[in-house]
Amino acid sequence: DGGITQSPKYLFRKEGQNVTLSCEQNLNHDAMYWYRQDPGQGLRLIYYSQIVNDFQKGDIAEGYSVSREKKESFPLTVTSAQKNPTAFYLCASSLVGGQAFFGQGTRLTVV
Amino acid sequence: ILNVEQSPQSLHVQEGDSTNFTCSFPSSNFYALHWYRWETAKSPEALFVMTLNGDEKKKGRISATLNTKEGYSYLYIKGSQPEDSATYLCAFLPGNQFYFGTGTSLTVIP
Repeated sequence: DGGITQSPKYLFRKEGQNVTLSCEQNLNHDAMYWYRQDPGQGLRLIYYSQIVNDFQKGDIAEGYSVSREKKESFPLTVTSAQKNPTAFYLCASSLVGGQAFFGQGTRLTVV
Repeated sequence: ILNVEQSPQSLHVQEGDSTNFTCSFPSSNFYALHWYRWETAKSPEALFVMTLNGDEKKKGRISATLNTKEGYSYLYIKGSQPEDSATYLCAFLPGNQFYFGTGTSLTVIP
């Protein structure tokens, strides 16, 4: 079955650590996105990619990095420069301009 | 940062009531407007993809309308059922990016 998979579902990070969230899709979608959700707020775009080896910053890219070495994969690294990383992270993919398909999310907590 | 607003923020209705929500978006550079349903512990799923001014879409008891000139879309649910309880998100696409509203949380009371 085609779909989009995020892992892990829950992640705990110590202060000063980098952590990487995985996002994989087998829908043959060109575009992939990372969003962050905080309590009471909507989905805010961190990074997006429309093609392999190319990606653009979204509204809140500071403290995050991504790579797009393969069409299927768009991992997000939360670096130690991100001062408030505790949040729910959602990955999505789409055909360019088409509807988005979402993963089940990763809840990151700083301990 | 584009501003996409949804109202109301939350809504509680009795089973069988009909209800509607609003999504407001910029009226310039319109490419598409999407509606998604996000149930607790699940991923958001697309309800409608709307691209033309005056578009009306329907899926069972749920329907949506679109006015691109004034920058709003309405989502209607007729005869709400408990399984309709979810957060309903709209997304405005001026091109290839999605700009999401904060969502309307619907609770249908049996």
